[in-house]
Amino acid sequence: LAKTTQPISMDSYEGQEVNITCSHNNIATNDYITWYQQFPSQGPRFIIQGYKTKVTNEVASLFIPADRKSSTLSLPRVSLSDTAVYYCLVGDGTGRRALTFGSGTRLQVQP
Amino acid sequence: DVKVTQSSRYLVKRTGEKVFLECVQDMDHENMFWYRQDPGLGLRLIYFSYDVKMKEKGDIPEGYSVSREKKERFSLILESASTNQTSMYLCASIKQAVGAFFGQGTRLTVV
Repeated sequence: LAKTTQPISMDSYEGQEVNITCSHNNIATNDYITWYQQFPSQGPRFIIQGYKTKVTNEVASLFIPADRKSSTLSLPRVSLSDTAVYYCLVGDGTGRRALTFGSGTRLQVQP
Repeated sequence: DVKVTQSSRYLVKRTGEKVFLECVQDMDHENMFWYRQDPGLGLRLIYFSYDVKMKEKGDIPEGYSVSREKKERFSLILESASTNQTSMYLCASIKQAVGAFFGQGTRLTVV
């Protein structure tokens, strides 16, 4: 299984762009990269998924370099409500391999 | 929208009781997972299933069993509840190449 490494915590201010990088050096050829957001006492919520280059949706962007050994979640103009834990996962998307969460990155947004 | 429903939000059980945690998803997903989440330990995978009557052990299966008799329902069973099984339990179902969708969680207290 591809292990992921993320910063334990990050601080930001409202209105700033936040970039959270995840390392996954032994990612497999058929693995996707998926990011989740979790608020206290709730289950994780899917944010974005990608395989290579750049993916953008209404919430975030995901940048994946050509070697795919890392990825960066970009949150534009964060607000206080973006304070949460963000998890990066790598898997083949079929669910037939264990979906293992790392420790995640705790993002604190200040006013 | 995908809906993953866990039978209880809060549950209090006595030591030694047999406990059933139910999870139902309405999107015909093949893959379903059970996690527990404890402060400082993140999400830990207990069991997962990629088909009816199929199950695979996760990282911490001891003291738990699961049942998947129908595609939409994945049950977690604590054969004899103990106080160290007090935790938040999260169920998820996965759509291939899209991501995992989580239930709202069950906070179980064993007294």
